[in-house]
Amino acid sequence: AQTVTQSQPEMSVQEAETVTLSCTYDTSESDYYLFWYKQPPSRQMILVIRQEAYKQQNATENRFSVNFQKAAKSFSLKISDSQLGDAAMYFCAYREISKLGGSEKLVFGKGTKLTVNP
Amino acid sequence: DTGVSQNPRHKITKRGQNVTFRCDPISEHNRLYWYRQTLGQGPEFLTYFQNEAQLEKSRLLSDRFSAERPKGSFSTLEIQRTEQGDSAMYLCASSSGPEAFFGQGTRLTVV
Repeated sequence: AQTVTQSQPEMSVQEAETVTLSCTYDTSESDYYLFWYKQPPSRQMILVIRQEAYKQQNATENRFSVNFQKAAKSFSLKISDSQLGDAAMYFCAYREISKLGGSEKLVFGKGTKLTVNP
Repeated sequence: DTGVSQNPRHKITKRGQNVTFRCDPISEHNRLYWYRQTLGQGPEFLTYFQNEAQLEKSRLLSDRFSAERPKGSFSTLEIQRTEQGDSAMYLCASSSGPEAFFGQGTRLTVV
């Protein structure tokens, strides 16, 4: 089974600064999807950004970008110009597809709690 | 369409009681997932539906847990004879492509 590791339980950043959240994963597949989700306190999980493994170009969504290193199985999230509203739990996730039964699911890391200081 | 809807948002129940949660996915999303999230942890997969077919159940899902998705629309997750260890946030998600969209979850407290 695939695993996802987020080694930073907590991170903090000053407003308007840049922060990078780390994620590593383990898989033997060559084609897959990776995601970053944001979960504000007591609110629902929101998709931040996705990366398709066969695309070499790193995904970017406004202030959010990823550094995808396929060989190293690393998928970090960079948040530029941090805002107070960015404060949340951030989860890295790998989309696992079962070749046998056609099932699929997301495998999540344990998350990184991001604090944004004014 | 306002997204994935889950009801109730909160449920407090006494140990040993049965509870049922409902999830209404985004219209035309044929894939539906249930996850469980405990405090300080990432969501853990429980079960997956493609249309009305339940294609996978996690080993986390004991005999007391059952999920259905009649007619491939809404889904229900029932927990029988609840235990204190069942206290958690139960998340539903749906998708029609690679991305999954989550509901706000049902927080279950077993007292």
